[in-house]
Amino acid sequence: TQLLEQSPQFLSIQEGENLTVYCNSSSVFSSLQWYRQEPGEGPVLLVTVVTGGEVKKLKRLTFQFGDARKDSSLHITAAQPGDTGLYLCAGAGFNKFYFGSGTKLNVKP
Amino acid sequence: DTEVTQTPKHLVMGMTNKKSLKCEQHMGHRAMYWYKQKAKKPPELMFVYSYEKLSINESVPSRFSPECPNSSLLNLHLHALQPEDSALYLCASSPQPYREINQPQHFGDGTRLSIL
Repeated sequence: TQLLEQSPQFLSIQEGENLTVYCNSSSVFSSLQWYRQEPGEGPVLLVTVVTGGEVKKLKRLTFQFGDARKDSSLHITAAQPGDTGLYLCAGAGFNKFYFGSGTKLNVKP
Repeated sequence: DTEVTQTPKHLVMGMTNKKSLKCEQHMGHRAMYWYKQKAKKPPELMFVYSYEKLSINESVPSRFSPECPNSSLLNLHLHALQPEDSALYLCASSPQPYREINQPQHFGDGTRLSIL
C-alpha cells in the first residue's frame, strides 16, 4: 500500500497541451517534494512545498500544496518533449521519507 | 551533472560473487541513503545513515550490507544476490536527516545491477 498515491500513472500527450498530476494521501506531511527522473538518471528535485495552500511556480510548472497538507498537484503548461520523464512526489512524515507511486509522462513532438 | 557520484554505473554479477557499490558526496551532507528502484516504479528506501551511523534498515536481507567509512562515502556490499535483486540502486544525500523539515535529497545517477 502506497502512502502517497499519484494519478494518473501514465500520461501521453502532444506537445503544447496542458496537464495536471495529482499526489494524494490520507496522512498529513510536514513538506512535500516533487522530483523528475529521466531514463538512466537519478531523480532531480524540482520543488519543495511547506505551507498549506502554498503555490510555487517554476517556469511552466506550477506546484500547489493542499490546505490540509495531505495532497499536492503539479500543473504543466504547454508541455514540451523535454518534460518527458517520471514525476515523483515525496513526503516526510512518521519518521520516514515516502515516495509516491509515480507518473510516467510522455510528451510527443 | 550530479553532485552525488556513484560507481560503477553498470554491474553484472553471478549469484555467488561478492561486489560493492560506492557512493561519494562532497557537499558536507550528514545524511546518506540507499534506495532500490525497479523499472517504472518509485525508489524504495533500503538504508539511512545519519551522522555516519545506521539509523534505518528497512528490513533489507542480510545479503546487502551497508557501510559508511566517513561522512562523504557510502558503500553497499553485495553477496549471494538473487536474480530478483536486479534493479537500479540509487544513493542520495541530504544536509540533515529527512526528519527535518524541508530537507531535499540529492540523488546520484545510480548503479544498474544485473544478477545472472
